[in-house]
Amino acid sequence: AQSVTQPDIHITVSEGASLELRCNYSYGATPYLFWYVQSPGQGLQLLLKYFSGDTLVQGIKGFEAEFKRSQSSFNLRKPSVHWSDAAEYFCAAQTYNTDKLIFGTGTRLQVFP
Amino acid sequence: DVKVTQSSRYLVKRTGEKVFLECVQDMDHENMFWYRQDPGLGLRLIYFSYDVKMKEKGDIPEGYSVSREKKERFSLILESASTNQTSMYLCASSLSVASSSYEQYFGPGTRLTVT
Repeated sequence: AQSVTQPDIHITVSEGASLELRCNYSYGATPYLFWYVQSPGQGLQLLLKYFSGDTLVQGIKGFEAEFKRSQSSFNLRKPSVHWSDAAEYFCAAQTYNTDKLIFGTGTRLQVFP
Repeated sequence: DVKVTQSSRYLVKRTGEKVFLECVQDMDHENMFWYRQDPGLGLRLIYFSYDVKMKEKGDIPEGYSVSREKKERFSLILESASTNQTSMYLCASSLSVASSSYEQYFGPGTRLTVT
C-alpha cells in the first residue's frame, strides 16, 4: 500500500542550528511530494513541492528539500532555524492520477533559544 | 490569495446531535476535501468532492456524510455525533492534479468536542 513515513515524532534544536526532517515514501512510481507546516492552532501552509526536474527544491521561509529516488526520501532542511519555525511539519505524497494526498504522521519541531 | 474559510474555530456538541461543518473557498477550485487530524495519526481523508454533487469516500468515511450543492461550498455532516469524533477537522481545496500549479490550500480548522 502507498504510504508516507516520518520517522521522527519530535525534534528539538537550538535557535541558529541546522535542521533536517526526514520523510520516506512507499509508492509504485515516483509520486508528487509536498512539505506542509502547521503553526499552533492554524491550518496547513505549503512550504514546497516536487513534481519533477531538479531534485533540490527551494521553498518559502528559507526551507529546501532534496528528492532522492534511490532512498525514496524527500527530506526537509534549513541551514539556520529561527524560534518562529517551531511548528508541526507534515510530508505528503500523491500520484499523478489522483487528487488525494497521503500524509505522514508529522514531526513536531521545538526550538530552544 | 486563496482563501479557505471554515464556519467555526471551536465547536462543542452533545452525543447524538447532528453536526454541520461548513467550508467555503473563493478560488473556483474543482476539488474540496475534509480531513480529520488526531495526534500521532496525521491527517486522514474523510471525503472529497471533485465537482458539484460529486463525492468520493476517503479513508475514514464511517459516521460522516458530505454535501456539495455549490462549487465554493463543501459541508461535512456528522449524522449522530459520538465522543470518538472529537477531533480537529480541516477543510482543503485545490485545482485538479492535472494543473501545473496543483497544491491543496487549507482552512484554519474546526476543533470539535463531543461530550
